[in-house]
Amino acid sequence: ETGVTQSPTHLIKTRGQQVTLRCSSQSGHNTVSWYQQALGQGPQFIFQYYREEENGRGNFPPRFSGLQFPNYSSELNVNALELDDSALYLCATGDRGQETQYFGPGTRLLVL
Amino acid sequence: DQQVKQNSPSLSVQEGRISILNCDYTNSMFDYFLWYKKYPAEGPTFLISISSIKDKNEDGRFTVFLNKSAKHLSLHIVPSQPGDSAVYFCAASPHGDYKLSFGAGTTVTVRA
Repeated sequence: ETGVTQSPTHLIKTRGQQVTLRCSSQSGHNTVSWYQQALGQGPQFIFQYYREEENGRGNFPPRFSGLQFPNYSSELNVNALELDDSALYLCATGDRGQETQYFGPGTRLLVL
Repeated sequence: DQQVKQNSPSLSVQEGRISILNCDYTNSMFDYFLWYKKYPAEGPTFLISISSIKDKNEDGRFTVFLNKSAKHLSLHIVPSQPGDSAVYFCAASPHGDYKLSFGAGTTVTVRA
């Protein structure tokens, strides 16, 4: 049990819509990262937040954005949804400077 | 560009025997390596890690070996148990970095 929770568990959207995914942690970890896991692949890094600011970003377009709140909870926002955005979205928490990250159960997004 | 590769998509092993999972990487900046285990409908769970200053790390039934010159690591599970049936991901990161790079995973099935 990592103490990382995500909501919702499942979500269906249509192309062009916007979606907000949420993550919270009881661990007190000060960083939160988001990953996208497509079917049959490993998780791909989207970005990380530390002290409410983006701390690094992977190869994802600007329509993927995020927020971190003072209690370390976080949101992932995706605008103008595309079919290829269908995936499992994972939130992970950790401590700055430490490589180990602890994952939530994920939100499965289906874009039709 | 896949910097972490798990070339065996699946592995079947008899209960009580050894499971050996392999992982190769290409980025010479990686110096911290992790293994995660994932059950269906759950997020990845941290299993074991190793720093590049070591060539072996052991935790109970799990041992990770690192061969830096070959850019190769392996995870040994001895003895294998039915509860070990899951997808195993290899991940890597430069020291203190925020981004984990994952392989595509190996599905392990432990036969009774």
